[in-house]
Amino acid sequence: QVQLVQSGAEVKKPGASVKVSCKASGYTFTNYGISWVRQAPGQGLEWMGWISAYSGSPNYAQKFQGRVTMTTDTSTRTSYMELRSLRSDDTAVYYCARVTMIVPKTLWFDPWGQGTLVTVSS
Amino acid sequence: QPVLTQPPSSSASPGESARLTCTLPSDINVGSYNIYWYQQKPGSPPRYLLYYSSHSAKGQGSGVPSRFSGSKDASANTGILLISGLQSEDEADYYCMIWPSNALGVFGGGTKLTVL
Repeated sequence: QVQLVQSGAEVKKPGASVKVSCKASGYTFTNYGISWVRQAPGQGLEWMGWISAYSGSPNYAQKFQGRVTMTTDTSTRTSYMELRSLRSDDTAVYYCARVTMIVPKTLWFDPWGQGTLVTVSS
Repeated sequence: QPVLTQPPSSSASPGESARLTCTLPSDINVGSYNIYWYQQKPGSPPRYLLYYSSHSAKGQGSGVPSRFSGSKDASANTGILLISGLQSEDEADYYCMIWPSNALGVFGGGTKLTVL
């Protein structure tokens, strides 16, 4: 079955970087993209960006431009999200999700990874 | 980027219908966008439910019951998720989303649905 498995929880100090992985299985990896969405404690969903596994071309939300890097490794079917210059308000659960795009502006996220808690604290 | 407005909470009784709304800002037209809906239960990742553009352009997530459906109210510039035959398991947070472009996705703030 289609599955995304994320790396484990992280605790980081302010100013550090974190790199979260998302390993895909059960489908042709390069036929889809991977998106990253985060959720701060008790808050809603926040879209961070997505990357085409076929081209490796990323699209980042403006809020994270310059601070985030999304990559894919087709040999291991794994996508990565690195967030730099961490602040306390980056404390959140970070989700990856498979992106299906059938035509431009018709994209959805299904399924989702289990989530990775990133805690930023001094 | 646009802000999608969802009521923070909604409630309905089992067997009834729940109508959850997602209002777009006045400077963008709901008729020009697909509206996507996700369900999230406590402690779980979100689940894709469906998208709705028009009666002829819509899609249901795999395994999502047909009692979940989408629509639009153009007069209110609003996307709607309708859940009919409400069940206790439908109690969850519901998020709408649009894609103003392939490079920009926007979530609404979410609605907590309580099944009374």
